[in-house]
Amino acid sequence: GAGVSQTPSNKVTEKGKYVELRCDPISGHTALYWYRQSLGQGPEFLIYFQGTGAADDSGLPNDRFFAVRPEGSVSTLKIQRTERGDSAVYLCASSLQGELTEAFFGQGTRLTVV
Amino acid sequence: GQQVMQIPQYQHVQEGEDFTTYCNSSTTLSNIQWYKQRPGGHPVFLIQLVKSGEVKKQKRLTFQFGEAKKNSSLHITATQTTDVGTYFCAGIGSNYQLIWGAGTKLIIKP
Repeated sequence: GAGVSQTPSNKVTEKGKYVELRCDPISGHTALYWYRQSLGQGPEFLIYFQGTGAADDSGLPNDRFFAVRPEGSVSTLKIQRTERGDSAVYLCASSLQGELTEAFFGQGTRLTVV
Repeated sequence: GQQVMQIPQYQHVQEGEDFTTYCNSSTTLSNIQWYKQRPGGHPVFLIQLVKSGEVKKQKRLTFQFGEAKKNSSLHITATQTTDVGTYFCAGIGSNYQLIWGAGTKLIIKP
């Protein structure tokens, strides 16, 4: 596609529920990143995919968070047993080759846990 | 762990005044990227600096990378209302991940 697409743009869920956030990167970009951004803060790294594999998942805060990219394109971030502290904007970015090339961000998914 | 400190957190300027934001890393960076995020928007890539002492210009924006590759700055000359937003630096550390500063919010005084 022309840009990085994230769906949904907004998600309101109840505490304890499971959510999935989707990222459709730019076609041909092998690198894909998930970030979380709280108001007034910079993006917080969650996980980095190179192709289908998670090259670095050190940013995932705990085992409630999981992400997949089964075919090396679309990625899904999954959050189990959501907590109010998970509320944030979840940003996805893709780049052509990885960390040394420009990252293109999607519009983000605003997750609100009530 | 590796950190990138960015200051100031906010800068209020009159339209036409200059703006500067600074980033400092606790460790040497292989390169540094700058992004701009408009209110309600997502980060948009501005530039990447790779070489020690590098200076790059984009119209009214001047980007510098320090000699030791531990600090960087963005200077905007004669700010305009279109410059409003938050400017982030993001450095590549030893683990080859982007380490983001907290951002500097540019606010134009009415």
